[in-house]
Amino acid sequence: SQTIHQWPATLVQPVGSPLSLECTVEGTSNPNLYWYRQAAGRGLQLLFYSVGIGQISSEVPQNLSASRPQDRQFILSSKKLLLSDSGFYLCAWSSPSGRAINEQFFGPGTRLTVL
Amino acid sequence: AQSVTQLGSHVSVSEGALVLLRCNYSSSVPPYLFWYVQYPNQGLQLLLKYTTGATLVKGINGFEAEFKKSETSFHLTKPSAHMSDAAEYFCAVSAIKNTGFQKLVFGTGTRLLVSP
Repeated sequence: SQTIHQWPATLVQPVGSPLSLECTVEGTSNPNLYWYRQAAGRGLQLLFYSVGIGQISSEVPQNLSASRPQDRQFILSSKKLLLSDSGFYLCAWSSPSGRAINEQFFGPGTRLTVL
Repeated sequence: AQSVTQLGSHVSVSEGALVLLRCNYSSSVPPYLFWYVQYPNQGLQLLLKYTTGATLVKGINGFEAEFKKSETSFHLTKPSAHMSDAAEYFCAVSAIKNTGFQKLVFGTGTRLLVSP
């Protein structure tokens, strides 16, 4: 069966510090991968998605970047965190594009607090 | 462009009462619709989905939803609420980008409160 991991689970970082959040998926090949941010009362905002190694699409301009160095690894990064980067970050995967049903499976999330 | 509107950021029910969470969508193509549940400090879990075929969809934990094209709605119901149903619920519609890539567009969520 497929599983998705995220770490760390929680993180407190000062403004201006770098960030690296990691997401890995097991039990599937060539998944589509997604990074979402969830702010209180605002639902889920899609930040990045990837259809393959090295292929990253950004949905919104921001202070963050994403990379996919391996097929089942997705990393969210920042060189200098802002207060507005605080939130709950969720990674998700779905079957490769071309399937009719784009059901997404979510990881447990990372709670980021920028102080 | 596809979008989802969830009416009511909070819904309160008593244990044993009917649960009704509302979702209306906008889509220029036949939609795929989803309901997800999120417990505190956890990821999202799929409750149910509508793709094609039967318009009444049954999911996990006793939830069901009915796709009504004429009303552009996909409301989530459960006949009898349980304390363990207290969580946040998200409705989502599948959207196709101009690249052909499919993504999900989520509503802002409805927090369900269940009182004894």
